[in-house]
Amino acid sequence: EAGVTQFPSHSVIEKGQTVTLRCDPISGHDNLYWYRRVMGKEIKFLLHFVKESKQDESGMPNNRFLAERTGGTYSTLKVQPAELEDSGVYFCASSQEYLAGGPHSYNEQFFGPGTRLTVL
Amino acid sequence: KQEVTQIPAALSVPEGENLVLNCSFTDSAIYNLQWFRQDPGKGLTSLLLIQSSQREQTSGRLNASLDKSSGRSTLYIAASQPGDSATYLCAVSLIKAAGNKLTFGGGTRVLVKP
Repeated sequence: EAGVTQFPSHSVIEKGQTVTLRCDPISGHDNLYWYRRVMGKEIKFLLHFVKESKQDESGMPNNRFLAERTGGTYSTLKVQPAELEDSGVYFCASSQEYLAGGPHSYNEQFFGPGTRLTVL
Repeated sequence: KQEVTQIPAALSVPEGENLVLNCSFTDSAIYNLQWFRQDPGKGLTSLLLIQSSQREQTSGRLNASLDKSSGRSTLYIAASQPGDSATYLCAVSLIKAAGNKLTFGGGTRVLVKP
């Protein structure tokens, strides 16, 4: 079973530019989460999709961040325009509701390798 | 607001010694608690998930306990090996209606010396 994948692995951009991060969740997972860790801080929640709908976007820092999940499959997170404080590692995670007799614990989240974003 | 703390921030032990990693959280109304491992430059690998109704979970040399009333979880790693060197993170989610978003601790960086 393929895990969560993220693209790109690294991105270096200048302040004011636009960057789009992509996440492909595990196939069949309805829940998709975005998190990020900025330098020296804990990993923080950004938002949560259930299929194509935004369930909770309370962690989005401001309106420069836009997340989409068209068709309920992969998701993109766009930062426009990027600022210096947006630098950090952006993680995506996915989870599946518990199925009786299934192999996964309820709502166990599986993480991708992250995208390291550097804004100069 | 839920806060998660992990102590110590770093730990160094000789190979073969048992590891004890602590996690505390301020709001006991959790839905589940998950332990992760992160290797440098890599993503998070899920190690164990404990439901709020459970007291512990075991997987191989790993055992995690949960005391919801006191807001604590402990991860035990038996007979540590150099390959166990990594950062260990704990994260809690609140009630299911909150979408199961995770609140993370700062992690414990572990070094197992051969």
